[in-house]
Amino acid sequence: AQSVTQPDIHITVSEGASLELRCNYSYGATPYLFWYVQSPGQGLQLLLKYFSGDTLVQGIKGFEAEFKRSQSSFNLRKPSVHWSDAAEYFCAVGPGDSNYQLIWGAGTKLIIKP
Amino acid sequence: NAGVTQTPKFRILKIGQSMTLQCTQDMNHNYMYWYRQDPGMGLKLIYYSVGAGITDKGEVPNGYNVSRSTTEDFPLRLELAAPSQTSVYFCASSRADTQYFGPGTRLTVL
Repeated sequence: AQSVTQPDIHITVSEGASLELRCNYSYGATPYLFWYVQSPGQGLQLLLKYFSGDTLVQGIKGFEAEFKRSQSSFNLRKPSVHWSDAAEYFCAVGPGDSNYQLIWGAGTKLIIKP
Repeated sequence: NAGVTQTPKFRILKIGQSMTLQCTQDMNHNYMYWYRQDPGMGLKLIYYSVGAGITDKGEVPNGYNVSRSTTEDFPLRLELAAPSQTSVYFCASSRADTQYFGPGTRLTVL
């Protein structure tokens, strides 16, 4: 079955510390992978996406993600978090040409300690 | 450029009542979507549209209806509200691979 797993419901990191949010997927075809962020009370915003090519992709707000086909993973990273990064982060996978077929993870809530 | 707008932001309904959640986008996107977001769950697709006059069911369409008479508008109709429809509803639009989301409507059915 096709699925996206974000193993961590919550993650707490100190401001200035590095961050890695995990995303594992199960998908039959070549996946198109996305990370979206949802700030409190807001809709979701695209952080970055991977379709092909370089497996390390850069996104907005200093985030990056690495696609590892052998591990079926697409983990999100940031070298130094800011208090404004506190939000919920969603990983999604789909065929790319049919957005209505996106499969979403349950989300990881990032809490920043001052 | 307002992007995707949704109204209302909050609503409380009684069981059996009806309502329409409004969604408008000003980006001339062909694709539009309705999702619901429940605590601890990912987004679930309710309905989507690939253009004016064309709609189709998503993963969880029961209890909802949609229409798409214009490119800009994609209202979601709840005919007989049930407590199971308590959720946050998001409308989104896209032209290609990136979806743009509205701020959401928090609906409570009591």
